[in-house]
Amino acid sequence: EPEVTQTPSHQVTQMGQEVILRCVPISNHLYFYWYRQILGQKVEFLVSFYNNEISEKSEIFDDQFSVERPDGSNFTLKIRSTKLEDSAMYFCASSVERVGETQYFGPGTRLLVL
Amino acid sequence: SQQGEEDPQALSIQEGENATMNCSYKTSINNLQWYRQNSGRGLVHLILIRSNEREKHSGRLRVTLDTSKKSSSLLITASRAADTASYFCATDRRGSNYKLTFGKGTLLTVNP
Repeated sequence: EPEVTQTPSHQVTQMGQEVILRCVPISNHLYFYWYRQILGQKVEFLVSFYNNEISEKSEIFDDQFSVERPDGSNFTLKIRSTKLEDSAMYFCASSVERVGETQYFGPGTRLLVL
Repeated sequence: SQQGEEDPQALSIQEGENATMNCSYKTSINNLQWYRQNSGRGLVHLILIRSNEREKHSGRLRVTLDTSKKSSSLLITASRAADTASYFCATDRRGSNYKLTFGKGTLLTVNP
């Protein structure tokens, strides 16, 4: 069964460093998303992406964050200058359609900023 | 306002018993989805119920949706130790066509 994959599974970085989290969505899906979950808290929406542009973003997704689909299969989340509070589990998700369709989540990347 | 609030926050039952988890939300939705998360792992999609549906089944799972009360319930029948996980509801809010809004989840422990 097709699934969303994410790399790396864990990343440790120093505050102020740039990180790139990678995702490979399910191949026939058109909509892509990033969410994050700070330890012990809710899963929070960051951004959605369709047709090579951001469709919607949350207030969390500030200028430090960017997303890109550099080729036909990868979808990346870049954090330019990491802060301690960026430590979280980051989930990529994808869906075939936009409204009313299941979003399939990847296993997540656990990011620790020291 | 909080969207997608589950209760109880934690539930502990014996294997073989049924587990019922509830979710309430505040705004109109397109659909509601239930996800499961094993400790520190990814989110696994369980079931999606659309706003015009009232009940849906998938194996041992039964989901109901009451849009007049803005609430949903997830019933797991004949629970197994392997069902131990956190369960989240997530709503796809009308007017916001892309994002899912998650609740805090219910931690279900099934004791063998």
